[in-house]
Amino acid sequence: DAGVTQSPTHLIKTRGQQVTLRCSPKSGHDTVSWYQQALGQGPQFIFQYYEEEERQRGNFPDRFSGHQFPNYSSELNVNALLLGDSALYLCASSLFVGADTQYFGPGTRLTVL
Amino acid sequence: RKEVEQDPGPFNVPEGATVAFNCTYSNSASQSFFWYRQDCRKEPKLLMSVYSSGNEDGRFTAQLNRASQYISLLIRDSKLSDSATYLCVVNMGSGGSNYKLTFGKGTLLTVNP
Repeated sequence: DAGVTQSPTHLIKTRGQQVTLRCSPKSGHDTVSWYQQALGQGPQFIFQYYEEEERQRGNFPDRFSGHQFPNYSSELNVNALLLGDSALYLCASSLFVGADTQYFGPGTRLTVL
Repeated sequence: RKEVEQDPGPFNVPEGATVAFNCTYSNSASQSFFWYRQDCRKEPKLLMSVYSSGNEDGRFTAQLNRASQYISLLIRDSKLSDSATYLCVVNMGSGGSNYKLTFGKGTLLTVNP
């Protein structure tokens, strides 16, 4: 049973560029959440997708957008990258929206130069 | 006041020691509570949920005090393999499909031989 997978593992971009990160949820899960974890901080909630719609959103600017596909996989897009966007981006899936237990993927480490 | 606040740490303890982590949260309407463990440069993994009656899993005991908005985690007989960052996590959504996991900054534990 595959867990949550994310790609790519690492990514280096320059300021102003755009990036797309990808996530496949754990088998049987239909809800995907995205988190940003800066160095030395806990993960911060970006948004959650269920039934291909954004259901919840944290305190992140519109430069952060996402998408969920019919197979429940998801993408996180960040436009106009800033140095401060450098972080570990974590995807988590759950069995249903509102489920207490979330399973995290290994993350994508984004460095913005 | 931060939404979820933890002991700043780091904690350095010898093998066999008992160590306690404390956490406070700001939203009295919060519904569910968790401790996650995060190894260096890895994803967070659920350690245990925290219930009002308190719960124990082997060497780990979690307590919740809703009146004081306080959560604790006790680790007895520490092992080298317990070395990790421990994250206090609170679901600050209003319930049902409104779900917002809020993480503390984490407390680093190092167990020394």
